[in-house]
Amino acid sequence: QVQLQESGPGLVKPSQTLSLTCTVSGGSISSGAYYWSWIRQHPGKGLEWIGYVYHSGSTYYNPSLRGRVIISVDTSKNHFSLRLSSVTAADTAVYYCARDRDSSGFSVLGYWGQGTLVTVS
Amino acid sequence: DIVMTQSPDSLAVSLGERATINCKSSQSVLYSSNNKNSLAWYQQKPGQPPKLLTYWASTRESGVPDRFSGSGSETDFTLTISSLQAEDVAVYFCQQYYSSPPTFGQGTKVEIK
Repeated sequence: QVQLQESGPGLVKPSQTLSLTCTVSGGSISSGAYYWSWIRQHPGKGLEWIGYVYHSGSTYYNPSLRGRVIISVDTSKNHFSLRLSSVTAADTAVYYCARDRDSSGFSVLGYWGQGTLVTVS
Repeated sequence: DIVMTQSPDSLAVSLGERATINCKSSQSVLYSSNNKNSLAWYQQKPGQPPKLLTYWASTRESGVPDRFSGSGSETDFTLTISSLQAEDVAVYFCQQYYSSPPTFGQGTKVEIK
């Protein structure tokens, strides 16, 4: 059973860069045609897809964040990462990493990390 | 982006009664290649990540109780909990995966009356 765990600073200053890592266990990032995603949830609000990375390194970013976000993968460490630059208070949210339920290529999220709260202040 | 709108924002249902949540997409999410609707439902309990309930509008994820059922087509979808249990208190989200970026509804909070 694949498991995901987010890690990184819980507090980031405005204008700085938010950096999070998602460590995958119970399976290899480089095996299987899965997309590895970052999603965030503003306090008490809905869910926003940030983007995803394929094991090859190819990426897709939500246009609403394009220009500020980079998602990368390190198959040797079996983790993938999120960098969001020039953060403001509006980027305060719980950040989740997740994986598709299967390798069909459709963005149906079957596996989630527990989430990590990042506060910009 | 496809806008997903859920209704109601919240509802209170008695234990054992039916709960119905609606989700409307701003355009059709019917995937022509397999004639299936690219719509998923998730359940989120406080302090937990979302949990996948159904996908392709009506396919139940493994391990999900059969009291949860999804239905609908093109732009109008429904999640039904046939007999509400105490453990079903949560926020429910619909999500389209027809086009990028994938987008979610705003959520519907289900409580016990």
